Amino acid sequence: DQQVKQNSPSLSVQEGRISILNCDYTNSMFDYFLWYKKYPAEGPTFLISISSIKDKNEDGRFTVFLNKSAKHLSLHIVPSQPGDSAVYFCAASGDPSGGYQKVTFGTGTKLQVIP
Amino acid sequence: EPEVTQTPSHQVTQMGQEVILRCVPISNHLYFYWYRQILGQKVEFLVSFYNNEISEKSEIFDDQFSVERPDGSNFTLKIRSTKLEDSAMYFCASSSQGSSYNSPLHFGNGTRLTVT
Repeated sequence: DQQVKQNSPSLSVQEGRISILNCDYTNSMFDYFLWYKKYPAEGPTFLISISSIKDKNEDGRFTVFLNKSAKHLSLHIVPSQPGDSAVYFCAASGDPSGGYQKVTFGTGTKLQVIP
Repeated sequence: EPEVTQTPSHQVTQMGQEVILRCVPISNHLYFYWYRQILGQKVEFLVSFYNNEISEKSEIFDDQFSVERPDGSNFTLKIRSTKLEDSAMYFCASSSQGSSYNSPLHFGNGTRLTVT
């Protein structure tokens, strides 16, 4: 039951260019979406989030876009830096039947930024 | 910056044995969670804990699992009789409020559990 899908397991981008990571979800009850970054041997680290009442949220080099009608969100990193190389997880919560505490994660996209 | 700490970083146990994974959440946080990630798979929710009781749990969190907050700082996950398929990275997390726009989860670095 993959309610949050990241169809690209990996992505390579040149330093300085834009990285676009995509995520699709199937549960229309989700109302809160997050991106987490994970380095090897560390836990996921919160990066940026967006509420379903918005379509865009920006924090420095990171911007998350939400298209509710398409059940799609994306993370843009501009400009990409080698230190951004990590696994990025899309996540969602807010489904009352699943519980407000439960955050559902995607399978992750491994981003490699090439110097 | 305050952080969630987990011990041990790696635990090896034999099938059928009991294990306790330990976590110290961020001190002013009120909600505590366990997630796990089987190698190569997604991060999966196990359980959330608030006000000294389980608030939500997944279908993975069966009778073999239990959680406890034995004192004011520690939060533990116990697996009573480990199975091979319990081998995974277990992440503890905490948040100041329930999962919401203004209260993202803060994760520890995980405990890698290997069941042989």
